[in-house]
Amino acid sequence: DVVMTQSPLSLPVTLGQPASISCRSSQSLVYSDGNTYLNWFQQRPGQSPRRLIYRVSNRDSGVPDRFSGSGSGTDFTLKISRVEAEDVGVYYCMQGTHWPRTFGQGTKVEIK
Amino acid sequence: EVQLVESGGGLVQPGGSLRLSCAASGFTLSNYEMNWLRRAPGKGLEWLSHISGSGTTIHYADSVKGRFTISRDNAKSSLYLQMNNLRAEDTAVYYCARGTYGYIYWGQGTLVTVSS
Repeated sequence: DVVMTQSPLSLPVTLGQPASISCRSSQSLVYSDGNTYLNWFQQRPGQSPRRLIYRVSNRDSGVPDRFSGSGSGTDFTLKISRVEAEDVGVYYCMQGTHWPRTFGQGTKVEIK
Repeated sequence: EVQLVESGGGLVQPGGSLRLSCAASGFTLSNYEMNWLRRAPGKGLEWLSHISGSGTTIHYADSVKGRFTISRDNAKSSLYLQMNNLRAEDTAVYYCARGTYGYIYWGQGTLVTVSS
């Protein structure tokens, strides 16, 4: 199975400051069709997960542009340019290239 | 509007069975691959199973293979997860989600508690 390793696992941030989460996969996430199926999800307390980013860097509809994704191959990053109070929650990377689908352990973002 | 609504969760004893349902609306279920995922208390998200639009291709996580069975009834716009031989570690909120390589639409989740 592809192991997804996130860091840090806990991220206290100051409102208005940037935040960055790293995600590394144990194998390349480039699929046979040439796409890289790396997703980022946000799960706020008491809510269902919400996808923020698909195929490494594409923002889903309605996702604020302060969220951005980057990376390639096995190394990926989610950045929040200026953290807002509503960004508190757990963030997960997930690979959709290989079976079984696998998630990172999750990064808990909280306000300092 | 796309909606996914899970039901069927509850309290069950270890070794027991439960069948979860996911009612889909706002889209034609047969056109989409579907999945079950869960989040156990204090743990992260875990993908469990995937089924193709026609139901002919199915994948399972090792943690549930042989115990859980995914199925669908496109005519009823419904997805199912039959869970047998449940264990304490299966306690979680279970979600259905639409998609193949990533999941844009999720249900609200249904809580399954396995305890004596």
